[in-house]
Amino acid sequence: DGGITQSPKYLFRKEGQNVTLSCEQNLNHDAMYWYRQDPGQGLRLIYYSQIVNDFQKGDIAEGYSVSREKKESFPLTVTSAQKNPTAFYLCASSDQTGVLTKNIQYFGAGTRLSVL
Amino acid sequence: GQQLNQSPQSMFIQEGEDVSMNCTSSSIFNTWLWYKQDPGEGPVLLIALYKAGELTSNGRLTAQFGITRKDSFLNISASIPSDVGIYFCAGHQAGGGNKLTFGTGTQLKVEL
Repeated sequence: DGGITQSPKYLFRKEGQNVTLSCEQNLNHDAMYWYRQDPGQGLRLIYYSQIVNDFQKGDIAEGYSVSREKKESFPLTVTSAQKNPTAFYLCASSDQTGVLTKNIQYFGAGTRLSVL
Repeated sequence: GQQLNQSPQSMFIQEGEDVSMNCTSSSIFNTWLWYKQDPGEGPVLLIALYKAGELTSNGRLTAQFGITRKDSFLNISASIPSDVGIYFCAGHQAGGGNKLTFGTGTQLKVEL
């Protein structure tokens, strides 16, 4: 089955700890994205990558880092610098080859991060 | 970052009723998308709109791309319990690269 897999589903972080959220896609999409969702709010863009070995900051990048070493993988690290990390994190990808469909983003099932 | 104005924020309706929600912006968009998110899951694409005035259906769902290109509407006919969830609009602007702008969501609750 083609899709986007996020793991783990639930993650707990201790004070001062870095944690990494995994996002893997087998859709052969070039672009990948990370969003943060807080209760009752919309999606806020953390980082995005249009191509391997390249990524750009979104609206709320502080306290987060990413890498894009492979087309299918875009892990997000929540660093100790992120003082309020408790949220639902969503990964998405999009196919850049379709003139109209390139703007459609497909989402994984999310990772819920909580602070111990 | 900008967010789209989505209304209503929440709705509590009876099973069988029709539902309407909308998304507005001060900016022009060239693509409008509607997603549904179930609790604890990621958003799932419902309808994509690419042209001003376009009206597209997906089963009981119908969405329209506003003529001004600054708004979009989603209607759900004859709601059923599984329609419960949060509905998000998202728009893409020319010159916006790959980025989407999301609405704040409409939470739909259906009373049996």
